[in-house]
Amino acid sequence: QQQVKQSPQSLIVQKGGISIINCAYENTAFDYFPWYQQFPGKGPALLIAIRPDVSEKKEGRFTISFNKSAKQFSLHIMDSQPGDSATYFCAAIGAAGNKLTFGGGTRVLVKP
Amino acid sequence: DTAVSQTPKYLVTQMGNDKSIKCEQNLGHDTMYWYKQDSKKFLKIMFSYNNKELIINETVPNRFSPKSPDKAHLNLHINSLELGDSAVYFCASSQREGPLHFGNGTRLTVT
Repeated sequence: QQQVKQSPQSLIVQKGGISIINCAYENTAFDYFPWYQQFPGKGPALLIAIRPDVSEKKEGRFTISFNKSAKQFSLHIMDSQPGDSATYFCAAIGAAGNKLTFGGGTRVLVKP
Repeated sequence: DTAVSQTPKYLVTQMGNDKSIKCEQNLGHDTMYWYKQDSKKFLKIMFSYNNKELIINETVPNRFSPKSPDKAHLNLHINSLELGDSAVYFCASSQREGPLHFGNGTRLTVT
């Protein structure tokens, strides 16, 4: 039972384009939604995170959009660069516990 | 300077052997974790320790035994290794409900 579903599994985008990754969750107790970025041979690193009291959060070229009623959230990478090529994971955690549940990951390739 | 360090980076061993992976964090965090990343990149939590106390123990074969000598260290011992144990194992740490900081992983290959 996958509590956080992520799509697409892979994504190819041209330099300068927009990368969009979507996630959906089931557990309404989740109240913190981070995104992690993982480069080959490295561990995941926190990229940006959002709480459900806001509908959007932007940090540089990265934006999270959050739709609480639909239980969906997405990551937009604006002006995608070859250095953004990595695997991106959405995740969710609830206040009651400290078990971060990850989506299945999206491998993003930005072509120059 | 590495915040979460784990050793070894690569581990190649034969079926039936026993092996350990070590993890240390210098961030002063009170919670440490072990995650397993399979060949499809799926990340799944295995264990979590808070101040040396086991708080999360997912459905993991009892061949896997975590040990936390102090809150800065969390080691993973695996007995009787099987082919299906081949994966990348990540150690992570966090402070209470803060973000997770991951190590760079240990790639375990069982032949």
